[in-house]
Amino acid sequence: ETGVTQTPRHLVMGMTNKKSLKCEQHLGHNAMYWYKQSAKKPLELMFVYSLEERVENNSVPSRFSPECPNSSHLFLHLHTLQPEDSALYLCASSLRRDQPQHFGDGTRLSIL
Amino acid sequence: QKEVEQNSGPLSVPEGAIASLNCTYSDRVSQSFFWYRQYSGKSPELIMSIYSNGDKEDGRFTAQLNKASQYVSLLIRDSQPSDSATYLCAVRGAGNNRKLIWGLGTSLAVNP
Repeated sequence: ETGVTQTPRHLVMGMTNKKSLKCEQHLGHNAMYWYKQSAKKPLELMFVYSLEERVENNSVPSRFSPECPNSSHLFLHLHTLQPEDSALYLCASSLRRDQPQHFGDGTRLSIL
Repeated sequence: QKEVEQNSGPLSVPEGAIASLNCTYSDRVSQSFFWYRQYSGKSPELIMSIYSNGDKEDGRFTAQLNKASQYVSLLIRDSQPSDSATYLCAVRGAGNNRKLIWGLGTSLAVNP
């Protein structure tokens, strides 16, 4: 059983919809991450939160909006997405930013 | 120039053989090195971390690090069909550059 839980597992949405991805970690970690994984590309780091403060935003379009209300929960709010945003979105956590990261099962997102 | 390079494969080995997976990196001052296993349709799972030159063994897995030559490898002894997966190499820089850089992964197929 993973210590990092992501919901939903699959999401199909139109380009004008608004949806949110949720991540919850039960590991007592202080850092949380959002990644995008597309075919034939390395994992792309989108956002990093450390102790609920956003510490990295890697040139991600504003149609992706993260939220970290506490150290156990992380959200990714989606609005007006494009077909090229279809991908696997992975949440990860680590005890500290320099420690190994542990991943959730991901949300497979399809944009129609 | 890619920062972390892996042969995409597929690497095909017979059951019981040793599988050897290699990863090279460009940042000479990198400090932390990780191997993740990703089954098809699943999320990456940490299997090994290594921080100093030499070998680190954990069960059937051995990670080898050579900082002078800027490569890290993963050996899987007595390969099993259940080892068939994509193996991702991730490298973290030193000091303020703590971003984790990912390779594209090597696909391993262990044939019964």
